[in-house]
Amino acid sequence: DTEVTQTPKHLVMGMTNKKSLKCEQHMGHRAMYWYKQKAKKPPELMFVYSYEKLSINESVPSRFSPECPNSSLLNLHLHALQPEDSALYLCASSRGLAVTDTQYFGPGTRLTVL
Amino acid sequence: GENVEQHPSTLSVQEGDSAVIKCTYSDSASNYFPWYKQELGKRPQLIIDIRSNVGEKKDQRIAVTLNKTAKHFSLHITETQPEDSAVYFCAASIYSGAGSYQLTFGKGTKLSVIP
Repeated sequence: DTEVTQTPKHLVMGMTNKKSLKCEQHMGHRAMYWYKQKAKKPPELMFVYSYEKLSINESVPSRFSPECPNSSLLNLHLHALQPEDSALYLCASSRGLAVTDTQYFGPGTRLTVL
Repeated sequence: GENVEQHPSTLSVQEGDSAVIKCTYSDSASNYFPWYKQELGKRPQLIIDIRSNVGEKKDQRIAVTLNKTAKHFSLHITETQPEDSAVYFCAASIYSGAGSYQLTFGKGTKLSVIP
């Protein structure tokens, strides 16, 4: 398996809802990432996990809560989001945290917050 | 200021012509420069990358050049085809503190290849 998968593909939620995004890879990669991408903008890094431990948190609001249950799985728990949080959420993975380790992206979850 | 600048923001070329996209970076310690292609509604996909110890790399119709002294790198696509139409992002490894680096992306170039 040489792909990063994400579920769901689309998600619509209200500001009081709690939902989770899921990302999975079976390439043996030990680093996983969450990015947020607004329309016509580049991906913005949110979180980095290395060997299942949070390595980087780019000052993301606490309404976004990442979780890495094992080396293949990465979740993003969402609670009390705002309409401006509507975006494409991309997961990526890489062999390690060396900057030259290529990052492979999943197809993303298109999130709409009403 | 921006760590990675990318130009142009939009580019239209006739099918068969060449396209060039340029990026500059600010961190002289950056040592890895990937290019991603993102088609509408799809994931970014790595198309080519270059490391700082190499000046040029080519893969069929795609090439990347790096000038470390001037801190700029460019993507060259020859014999463009309609399926090359997409948004292209350059990226550079930027020092993020505590001995670690992360990728910083340029703002993207929307390439349109006109049949």
